[in-house]
Amino acid sequence: QAVVTQEPSLTVSPGGTVTLTCGSNTGPVTSGHYPYWFQQKPGQAPTTLIYDTTNKQSWTPARFSGSLLGDKAALTLSGAQPEDEGEYYCLLAFSGTRVFGGGTKLTVL
Amino acid sequence: EVQLVQSGAEVKKAGESLRIPCQTSGYSFTTYWIGWVRQMPGKGLEWIAIIYPDDSDTRYSPSFQGQVTVSVDKSISTAYLQWSSLKASDTAIYYCARAYKSGRGFQHWGRGTLVIVSS
Repeated sequence: QAVVTQEPSLTVSPGGTVTLTCGSNTGPVTSGHYPYWFQQKPGQAPTTLIYDTTNKQSWTPARFSGSLLGDKAALTLSGAQPEDEGEYYCLLAFSGTRVFGGGTKLTVL
Repeated sequence: EVQLVQSGAEVKKAGESLRIPCQTSGYSFTTYWIGWVRQMPGKGLEWIAIIYPDDSDTRYSPSFQGQVTVSVDKSISTAYLQWSSLKASDTAIYYCARAYKSGRGFQHWGRGTLVIVSS
């Protein structure tokens, strides 16, 4: 089974910009992996932020954006807010299955 | 409004069987894939399986194949995740989530069911 990698932790200053990445041990991440990004706050269920690499949900704040960056999928947060603290997970599609990354703990400090 | 309602918690002993529900509403149940995700205590999300309710086409993660079974009851728009013999290592929160039309990812999430298995 593929292994999907994310930065274990990142810190961003309030109002700052940070990019989270999502890689695969099978090779470059492409649009064909249909990258998804989810946010999870402590004690809550995940919520979906980005689907199919770049598309936002209706509830996704405009400060979040998805892209491909080099060989990885990326989630960029521009203008971080304190409420953006939490865990962020990517999900990639591989044939009939999907694999989550290990998650990135984002601190706004 | 799309809703996925899960039961709060289940406490079982190792070796027992269990089936947890995910009751859905607010959309056409049979035409969207629905899946299950595990989160062990203090750990990340793990993709378990997805099922297409219309024909019960099911895809399992290799890590969970043979360990759990997913099913649906179309008459009550409910999906299920079940175990025939629980292990202490099955202790986790289990989320159900409805996929997009493409079936590739998850759009709407339930609040999760905490399963506690004592040895």
